[in-house]
Amino acid sequence: DGGITQSPKYLFRKEGQNVTLSCEQNLNHDAMYWYRQDPGQGLRLIYYSQIVNDFQKGDIAEGYSVSREKKESFPLTVTSAQKNPTAFYLCASSRVTGEKLFFGSGTQLSVL
Amino acid sequence: SQQGEEDPQALSIQEGENATMNCSYKTSINNLQWYRQNSGRGLVHLILIRSNEREKHSGRLRVTLDTSKKSSSLLITASRAADTASYFCATVAPYGGATNKLIFGTGTLLAVQP
Repeated sequence: DGGITQSPKYLFRKEGQNVTLSCEQNLNHDAMYWYRQDPGQGLRLIYYSQIVNDFQKGDIAEGYSVSREKKESFPLTVTSAQKNPTAFYLCASSRVTGEKLFFGSGTQLSVL
Repeated sequence: SQQGEEDPQALSIQEGENATMNCSYKTSINNLQWYRQNSGRGLVHLILIRSNEREKHSGRLRVTLDTSKKSSSLLITASRAADTASYFCATVAPYGGATNKLIFGTGTLLAVQP
């Protein structure tokens, strides 16, 4: 089955800790994205990548980092600099930017 | 920044009724997309309408786009309890060079009562 896989489904972060959220796609898409969703809110763009070895900051990149070493993978690290990390994180991909997005099932990150 | 604003924020209807959700935006767009999200899940793409299109249909969904008013509407006909979800519009506009950026609205929460 083609699609996007996010893991883990739930993640807990301790104070001062960096945590990494995984996102893998087998759709052969060039573009990948990370969004943050807070309760009752829309999605805000954290980072996006149009091609391997390239990525750009979105609207709320501070406290986050990404890498795009393989076409299939776009992991997101929530660093200790992100002071309010509790949110639902969604990874998505598209053939090219601006076309329809395919989403993973999300990771709920909470702070212990 | 969130460009799309959905209206209403919440909508409750009976099964079999039609549901209409509206989306307004601020800048010129390349296309507008509608997505559905069940609670605690990822979003699912429903329909994409390009800036040169005025209306599009997909099954029980009908989307209209009025670029002069910078607005779009999503109509779900003959609603079912399974349509209960949040619905988001996303506008696509140029974002630095050749990149196109999707900007999501805040969503409409639809509850269909059986």
